[in-house]
Amino acid sequence: AQSVTQLGSHVSVSEGALVLLRCNYSSSVPPYLFWYVQYPNQGLQLLLKYTSAATLVKGINGFEAEFKKSETSFHLTKPSAHMSDAAEYFCAVSAGNQFYFGTGTSLTVIP
Amino acid sequence: DGGITQSPKYLFRKEGQNVTLSCEQNLNHDAMYWYRQDPGQGLRLIYYSQIVNDFQKGDIAEGYSVSREKKESFPLTVTSAQKNPTAFYLCASSILFSVDTQYFGPGTRLTVL
Repeated sequence: AQSVTQLGSHVSVSEGALVLLRCNYSSSVPPYLFWYVQYPNQGLQLLLKYTSAATLVKGINGFEAEFKKSETSFHLTKPSAHMSDAAEYFCAVSAGNQFYFGTGTSLTVIP
Repeated sequence: DGGITQSPKYLFRKEGQNVTLSCEQNLNHDAMYWYRQDPGQGLRLIYYSQIVNDFQKGDIAEGYSVSREKKESFPLTVTSAQKNPTAFYLCASSILFSVDTQYFGPGTRLTVL
């Protein structure tokens, strides 16, 4: 069975500070991993995805994530937060014909 | 432009009424999905369809029904049997079922009065 856990339902950072959103997964087969972003009252937009190629994945808007098999993690980072990054972020895992989303992390950026 | 459209954006329903949410995609994707989103609970899968004329129940299918008569359309009906239908509903599609990236529509917010 697959699952994904996002640590921290709410994260606050100052503008210009590092953004780190945590995601851990469990999977009995090699997974595909995704990060999505959702702005208020909108659908989810794909930020980046890992599909067993390079372990460091670069996405849109300056975000990146690193797949660490030994830690079963896929944390999302951005070196410098911008006010426009304030949104809900979802980690997702796909493996063995199943697709699961985490419960989301709400990111607040403080000016 | 290719994408997924959902209509309406906002929908109000009286208790006891059925209501149908529209989802259309022009991405030529085989698979389509319906999710329900409630605050603090992430996304929960209602129904999915791997191909035209086929659909399967997800984790929370009770009180909902779907059809997939055309590849580009996957409407969701919220029936009066759904006890707590107020939520944000998201439709998604992917090239193939499950492992591929899912692309989302803008969502429909349903409120029961």
